Amino acid sequence: DIQMTQSPSSLSASVGDRVAITCRASQTISTYLSWYQQKPGKAPQVLIYDASSLQSGVPSRFSGSGSGTHFTLTISSLQPEDFATYYCQQSYSTFLTFGQGTRLEIK
Amino acid sequence: QVQLQESGPGLVKPSGTLSLTCAVSGGSISGGYWWSWVRQPPGKELDWIGEIYHSGSTNYNPSLTSRVTISVEKSKNQFSLKLTSLTAADTAVYYCARARATVDKFFDYWGRGTLVTVSS
Repeated sequence: DIQMTQSPSSLSASVGDRVAITCRASQTISTYLSWYQQKPGKAPQVLIYDASSLQSGVPSRFSGSGSGTHFTLTISSLQPEDFATYYCQQSYSTFLTFGQGTRLEIK
Repeated sequence: QVQLQESGPGLVKPSGTLSLTCAVSGGSISGGYWWSWVRQPPGKELDWIGEIYHSGSTNYNPSLTSRVTISVEKSKNQFSLKLTSLTAADTAVYYCARARATVDKFFDYWGRGTLVTVSS
């Protein structure tokens, strides 16, 4: 199976900051990579698919980049509603796998 | 607007079988999507269980394949999960989700999730 490793596992930041979360795959996955946001007690919501495509309705401050084994989710200017846990997910393999999550907290 | 709703027991006994159903509304289960089950143990990450296409084709997590069955009922516009030989490690919030495939396959609609506790 393809292992997805996110870094950092947790991150403290302030409103207005620019933050980046990294996801590394254990083997090349081309651009078969999505990013999700999950708030406590809620289902995840997709932000980015195909590594860099913004899902309809998602604010443009979210962006994704990367290909192969190294991917980044960037939030250009943090808003209060962005404090949540973020997950990456690969679909290069039929066996879909998620990263362990990155918890974004208010500094 | 597509909506998914999980239903099933919230408490099941060790060694027993978990049965959950996901009712799909606002869209046909026979569209060009895969329908998945994803679980999340308390405080932990997301864990993909498996998926089904309306044709009945399935894919499963290799670590669960001996215990899991996913089926579809097109006439009721729903799909179901069965997980056998339960242990405490199966305690989790179980989500159903729709997977859309462009280049990659991603989940664009999710149910609200249902907490299943395995305990005697």
